[in-house]
Amino acid sequence: DVKVTQSSRYLVKRTGEKVFLECVQDMDHENMFWYRQDPGLGLRLIYFSYDVKMKEKGDIPEGYSVSREKKERFSLILESASTNQTSMYLCASSGRVTTGELFFGEGSRLTVL
Amino acid sequence: QKEVEQDPGPLSVPEGAIVSLNCTYSNSAFQYFMWYRQYSRKGPELLMYTYSSGNKEDGRFTAQVDKSSKYISLFIRDSQPSDSATYLCASSNQAGTALIFGKGTTLSVSS
Repeated sequence: DVKVTQSSRYLVKRTGEKVFLECVQDMDHENMFWYRQDPGLGLRLIYFSYDVKMKEKGDIPEGYSVSREKKERFSLILESASTNQTSMYLCASSGRVTTGELFFGEGSRLTVL
Repeated sequence: QKEVEQDPGPLSVPEGAIVSLNCTYSNSAFQYFMWYRQYSRKGPELLMYTYSSGNKEDGRFTAQVDKSSKYISLFIRDSQPSDSATYLCASSNQAGTALIFGKGTTLSVSS
């Protein structure tokens, strides 16, 4: 069974803290994505990666960075968390030869106080 | 203008009703169309997938794509309380690339 695992389901951080959100997939997928989901705004793409050590900005990259050192792992980094980054963060992956389906993790609910 | 528009609802129906969920899109290059279902506090999971135009049926669910009008639809027949979830339409122009999502429609089916 395909699986995308996000390490933390719920996090509470303080303004200014550095936050790491980890995502691991076991499907040998080349492509990985980070979205955030907010009420009334839907899913918005933050960053994505089509290969190890490669990254591309999505629609809302400001305040975020990413790291992809290994094929199976894609990390989202908030260098200095702010209250407007309180959100649900969703990681997804897909294969290069694919129907286009993205496989999602369960999500990480981040609250920044 | 967002590339995929979806009425967020909420939509409340009685058990057994036929539900129609709709999206419009603006990018003519979109070829891949999907419907995801998301239960509360869970990640989205693929419900229906359609490539280019046409209909696709899977049990009580039917997905339709009309590229001439840039319209995406999901029909649920004999709706059940277990169908209560948020439904997200999504599109892309190339397999494997990031999907563009609508805002999602929250559906509640009462028994």
